[in-house]
Amino acid sequence: GAGVSQTPSNKVTEKGKYVELRCDPISGHTALYWYRQSLGQGPEFLIYFQGTGAADDSGLPNDRFFAVRPEGSVSTLKIQRTERGDSAVYLCASSSDREIFDFGPGTRLLVL
Amino acid sequence: GQNIDQPTEMTATEGAIVQINCTYQTSGFNGLFWYQQHAGEAPTFLSYNVLDGLEEKGRFSSFLSRSKGYSYLLLKELQMKDSASYLCAARDSNYQLIWGAGTKLIIKP
Repeated sequence: GAGVSQTPSNKVTEKGKYVELRCDPISGHTALYWYRQSLGQGPEFLIYFQGTGAADDSGLPNDRFFAVRPEGSVSTLKIQRTERGDSAVYLCASSSDREIFDFGPGTRLLVL
Repeated sequence: GQNIDQPTEMTATEGAIVQINCTYQTSGFNGLFWYQQHAGEAPTFLSYNVLDGLEEKGRFSSFLSRSKGYSYLLLKELQMKDSASYLCAARDSNYQLIWGAGTKLIIKP
């Protein structure tokens, strides 16, 4: 079946701009996670959704970052006033049981 | 604090066996995961241990000792395609995954 998909696969933007990153989880997976990964590092937790609600947003670095999942399926990660330090691969993962995480291919964000 | 330690890089020979170690310190413990990540790709699930002992799955095995806060991933009959980063992650009492930085495994012919 279809796995987790993320769009766009690559995004180049200028400092100060607004970006939206989209995640389509596996159908039926109620848990959805956003992570950020820098080169040579493990994934860094950002936010976790259970259904439509953000069950844990403690990993969001500051108020420029926001994520929604209005219908309990697709999620959008929104970054305002982007900074060069936001450049990373943004990974989305979904799970049906919070045991096995299926990761999407990631969005590579480059802020110039 | 919460912490995962694993070697940065390891080198092994095609056909050989390699063991990648991981030590963890978390607030509570709800399982230890190993993921494989090829360069430029997303992590893919390899194994999950929640009880002490060895879990074998084909060429890959994973071991856990909860009392020692220690796990290892054992890869047998290494193939060139096994060249990748191997990520260790421990799940804490809040069911959050704490990730290590990954071990880059280089396979030489």
